[in-house]
Amino acid sequence: DTGVSQDPRHKITKRGQNVTFRCDPISEHNRLYWYRQTLGQGPEFLTYFQNEAQLEKSRLLSDRFSAERPKGSFSTLEIQRTEQGDSAMYLCASSLTSYNSPLHFGNGTRLTVT
Amino acid sequence: GQQVMQIPQYQHVQEGEDFTTYCNSSTTLSNIQWYKQRPGGHPVFLIQLVKSGEVKKQKRLTFQFGEAKKNSSLHITATQTTDVGTYFCAGPRDSGGSNYKLTFGKGILLTVNP
Repeated sequence: DTGVSQDPRHKITKRGQNVTFRCDPISEHNRLYWYRQTLGQGPEFLTYFQNEAQLEKSRLLSDRFSAERPKGSFSTLEIQRTEQGDSAMYLCASSLTSYNSPLHFGNGTRLTVT
Repeated sequence: GQQVMQIPQYQHVQEGEDFTTYCNSSTTLSNIQWYKQRPGGHPVFLIQLVKSGEVKKQKRLTFQFGEAKKNSSLHITATQTTDVGTYFCAGPRDSGGSNYKLTFGKGILLTVNP
């Protein structure tokens, strides 16, 4: 068990640019989640995959955000036309399918939009 | 919508002192979870409580779920510098209780003076 891996750890981009983050979940975990965390706040749910199917998206996820998990393994989160308000830590987590399985978080990708 | 509240957001203690923090939900929860995030780190799952009035212990940490399943507490006995971090409580947002969409509190940052 190597844990949940996220890449990159840090990303600085200029407003208006597109960015893409990658998440590799724990290999036997079918569920994959994206959360966003800003300073002084707890993580906020963005979206969730069961295998390759994206089952729910938060209203926080505007049309500029898109997430994929094409083969049910790794996932990518893309933000188009970044805005300063997108600056945050983007956390990926994974879990087993069984009810009430706890979330295992990755180290996150810290995005700074200048 | 559902709210999970943790007040205060900061607590400073002297090493060896006991520490207690509380978590309150605006809705009844099917389960409640606690996570710890070290400075610069990611949230790490600590415990999950499911039953009304449930108490679980992990070494010096004691977790309790309220009888009405709307609140929870975390008690640390004889704090150590290794206890430093932000402690989050979280509960499922949907009534079915599946953990895929958790609502996190803002967390309480515990600092320990050696």
